[in-house]
Parts: sequence; structure tokens; C-alpha cells
Amino acid sequence: AQSVTQPDIHITVSEGASLELRCNYSYGATPYLFWYVQSPGQGLQLLLKYFSGDTLVQGIKGFEAEFKRSQSSFNLRKPSVHWSDAAEYFCAVARSYNTDKLIFGTGTRLQVFP
Amino acid sequence: EADIYQTPRYLVIGTGKKITLECSQTMGHDKMYWYQQDPGMELHLIHYSYGVNSTEKGDLSSESTVSRIRTEHFPLTLESARPSHTSQYLCASSDGDATGYTFGSGTRLTVV
Repeated sequence: AQSVTQPDIHITVSEGASLELRCNYSYGATPYLFWYVQSPGQGLQLLLKYFSGDTLVQGIKGFEAEFKRSQSSFNLRKPSVHWSDAAEYFCAVARSYNTDKLIFGTGTRLQVFP
Repeated sequence: EADIYQTPRYLVIGTGKKITLECSQTMGHDKMYWYQQDPGMELHLIHYSYGVNSTEKGDLSSESTVSRIRTEHFPLTLESARPSHTSQYLCASSDGDATGYTFGSGTRLTVV
């Protein structure tokens, strides 16, 4: 069965430091991959998505993600974190059948210290 | 501005009450979804709809029901709320396959 794993439950970084959030997926073919961010008390906002082509995807708020087929990974990165980036981050993959539906990971909570 | 709206944002209600969580979108999307999210856990699909008069159950069994009488409106109803229904409920819509979702702000439900 398809699945998404986010190995880090909680990450703490200092403001201005670089960030990498890990995401691994299980899927045989080329997946459709997504990263969402959820601020406290809010819904989820799409940061970026990967369908095909260039494996480095640029998103909103200065985020990027790199698709690595050999590692079944789609890690999210940001060169310099701002305090406003503190939130919960979810990786998701579209299902192989009924690709409109997404399977989500358990999320990574990012805490940013000044 | 095209968006998706959920009301109420927060609801505290007593056991046995009937509740309806509202979800409306102004984007004209045919596909709409309800997810249940518990703290520290992934989102679980509980209902979805591909258009008017189309509703299906999702992966996670839920005692809630949904209806889709208008394209823009996808309410979720609990006939008799219980403490086990305490959770955050997120509504989303999509304009096609593998395009990702647009989410509402969610309703945090507490049943006491």
C-alpha cells in the first residue's frame, strides 16, 4: 500500500538557519508529491508540488523540494528560516488510483528560536 | 476572491446533540473532501464527493454523514455527538486529478 513517512516529529532551528524536512514515500511509479504547511488553528496551505520534469521544485515562501527517485524521497528545504515559518509541515502523495485523493504523512512540527 | 470557507471555527457541544459543520467553496470545484485530523496525527479521509448528489465514504469509518445538493456546499452532520468525535475537521476541494487540494481553515470540535 502507498504510504508517506515523515521521520522527524519535531524539529527546532534558530532563525536564519537552513532547514531540511524529510519525506519518504512508497510508490512504484512516478508519484505526484506535495508539501503543505499548517499554521496553528488553520487549514493546510499548499507550498509546492511535483508531477514530473525538473526534480527541484520551487514553491511559495522561499521553499523548495527535491525529488530523488533512488531514495524515494521528497525533502523540503529553505536556506534561511524566519520565525513566521514555525508551523506543522505535511508531505503527501497522490494515490496511484484515484489520483485526486492524497495520502498524508504524520507531519513535522517546526519550532523557530530567535 | 475564490476560497473555501468552514464554519464554525470552534464548537464545544454536549453529548447527544446534533451538529452540522458547514463547508462552502467559491471556486466551482466538483471534487470536495472531508478529513479528520487528530493532534499529532495524519489526516484521514472520511468523506468525498465528485459532484452534486454524489457522496462516498473515505478510508476512516465515521459516524458522520454528508450531502451535496449544490456544487459549492458540502456540509457534514453528526446526528448524535459523542466525546469520541472530538477532533479537527478539515474540508478541501480540488479541480482535478493530482492537482492537490485547497483547504478550509477547519472546525475544531469538542464534545463534552
